[in-house]
Amino acid sequence: GESVGLHLPTLSVQEGDNSIINCAYSNSASDYFIWYKQESGKGPQFIIDIRSNMDKRQGQRVTVLLNKTVKHLSLQIAATQPGDSAVYFCAETLHNAGNMLTFGGGTRLMVKP
Amino acid sequence: DVKVTQSSRYLVKRTGEKVFLECVQDMDHENMFWYRQDPGLGLRLIYFSYDVKMKEKGDIPEGYSVSREKKERFSLILESASTNQTSMYLCASSLFRGRETQYFGPGTRLLVL
Repeated sequence: GESVGLHLPTLSVQEGDNSIINCAYSNSASDYFIWYKQESGKGPQFIIDIRSNMDKRQGQRVTVLLNKTVKHLSLQIAATQPGDSAVYFCAETLHNAGNMLTFGGGTRLMVKP
Repeated sequence: DVKVTQSSRYLVKRTGEKVFLECVQDMDHENMFWYRQDPGLGLRLIYFSYDVKMKEKGDIPEGYSVSREKKERFSLILESASTNQTSMYLCASSLFRGRETQYFGPGTRLLVL
């Protein structure tokens, strides 16, 4: 994974605004992507996934966009709330190949009240 | 909901001690994983298992071993703990090979003195 953590990219947003978190993935053959949320002191929590035959997928207050041309993934959070404050990271893999997930380094989202 | 539990949230051990970290999942998942997470290094795969009594080395297996005697339980063993094994340890499981979405436990923060 990328070397982040102490030097995690940080996104600071106002409560109620929309947040966009970006992820550049590494393998052009990857066809399955996942976003995880990790709150302080807890394990990563599955948020949403998307397969490469889709450009967009929506969940509850979250939308994932996939741009395969530039190998870019984004997570949009609508009406960001204080409870959304966490580290968000993406994971990629080649589906049905039994491959491991490759995790990105993460972005810290801070929500200002 | 998938539930992955880890035996301890916090653990303090001394150098040279043998350490057991236990992980249990209740969703009949075939695959189980052990990661460590360190600032600046992200998630690194230590060992994984696709079936009972099967184990595969991940990216950083040195200093660790694992045991999977039952489908629901995957143990990580530090034969002789060292200070550089101070870390957050995360267990995860996924349904089966080809269904790569991994679900994580809450993590065990291990401090080796």
